[in-house]
Amino acid sequence: GENVEQHPSTLSVQEGDSAVIKCTYSDSASNYFPWYKQELGKRPQLIIDIRSNVGEKKDQRIAVTLNKTAKHFSLHITETQPEDSAVYFCAASKGDTGFQKLVFGTGTRLLVSP
Amino acid sequence: ETGVTQTPRHLVMGMTNKKSLKCEQHLGHNAMYWYKQSAKKPLELMFVYSLEERVENNSVPSRFSPECPNSSHLFLHLHTLQPEDSALYLCASSQDRISGGANEQFFGPGTRLTVL
Repeated sequence: GENVEQHPSTLSVQEGDSAVIKCTYSDSASNYFPWYKQELGKRPQLIIDIRSNVGEKKDQRIAVTLNKTAKHFSLHITETQPEDSAVYFCAASKGDTGFQKLVFGTGTRLLVSP
Repeated sequence: ETGVTQTPRHLVMGMTNKKSLKCEQHLGHNAMYWYKQSAKKPLELMFVYSLEERVENNSVPSRFSPECPNSSHLFLHLHTLQPEDSALYLCASSQDRISGGANEQFFGPGTRLTVL
């Protein structure tokens, strides 16, 4: 089955710096890659996703890149702010059925210091 | 509250108790999910219901029993749990792309379960 690895497990940056979180997946048939943000004590929320027919997607300060050949995808956050502090999870699924069987990474705790 | 709601938010139970977790989605979605979130481990998919039929059971012990009486409600019945079952249990829902949805999973706030 699918296996998703995520690095780093913790990431500390200064406000205004960029942050990059990387994930690798094992199943070359996976074609949907969402990123979730989970603030302390709150529910995971989708912040951006990418499908295998594109290599990059951007939404304001966040972007995701996908390298299908290498089977890895990354989350990029520019101009980080203290409110970006949270745990970020990547996931992968084949998405070829009516529902999503997401396999999640172990999460990255991002701390943005003022 | 709109979106996906879960009750109770916190639950403490003994190993011999029977309890149930409830999830309700107000989004008109056609798939619902149960996840287990433990410290320092990835979210683990437990069960998936699509159109009220169970379509995934990821080798979950029988002491966890799901129920989906309709497309808006999902239950997780618990009995004779172990201390290692203590975790945050998250419910989610989605609408598949075939029927016009975006397939994004919306999560509930979770139930923090402690088994003594």
